[in-house]
Amino acid sequence: GESVGLHLPTLSVQEGDNSIINCAYSNSASDYFIWYKQESGKGPQFIIDIRSNMDKRQGQRVTVLLNKTVKHLSLQIAATQPGDSAVYFCAENISGGGADGLTFGKGTHLIIQP
Amino acid sequence: DAGVTQSPTHLIKTRGQHVTLRCSPISGHKSVSWYQQVLGQGPQFIFQYYEKEERGRGNFPDRFSARQFPNYSSELNVNALLLGDSALYLCASSLAVGVGYTFGSGTRLTVV
Repeated sequence: GESVGLHLPTLSVQEGDNSIINCAYSNSASDYFIWYKQESGKGPQFIIDIRSNMDKRQGQRVTVLLNKTVKHLSLQIAATQPGDSAVYFCAENISGGGADGLTFGKGTHLIIQP
Repeated sequence: DAGVTQSPTHLIKTRGQHVTLRCSPISGHKSVSWYQQVLGQGPQFIFQYYEKEERGRGNFPDRFSARQFPNYSSELNVNALLLGDSALYLCASSLAVGVGYTFGSGTRLTVV
């Protein structure tokens, strides 16, 4: 099985609403987490990352929350726009010794309704 | 500044052939990683190189190999291609192992 997962395959939200994408991880040794956005025909684009010594980090219109107790990660996107439509992946890693590379979940397809 | 560049963008090969994919990292980045992304799934880790040495390998057969050159660019080689090797192959570069991965747009490989 995969280390990172638990997602809604498709999430549909109205333009202007906030969206929340969830992710669970199982490797308790992971200490670095990243959210990527992937548009059709393109590679994953970095959105925001967080280390395990934090439980919240904010960027421009995005917030990542990390709950290490239940091994849960979420991405909140405020005031969604049509350009936010994409597949969103969470990924985990063991920083500094990440010889196993990033472990990705299967992704959530975010659809923005006009 | 140029991002991670990969070539070719698309490729069609026949079963049994071999293929070489190329990646140029962001200037100053010394680590390159390769991932395979099958349609509808997340990327799967294949290799990671840092300072021209292999630092990690995912669960892929020996048909897959890679190397990193003194200028930090990298090649991924796949021998004896199978239909199941059809995928988007992504390269990611980072300053060091474990943090700050930036992905290229990938090479779409189709095996027929």
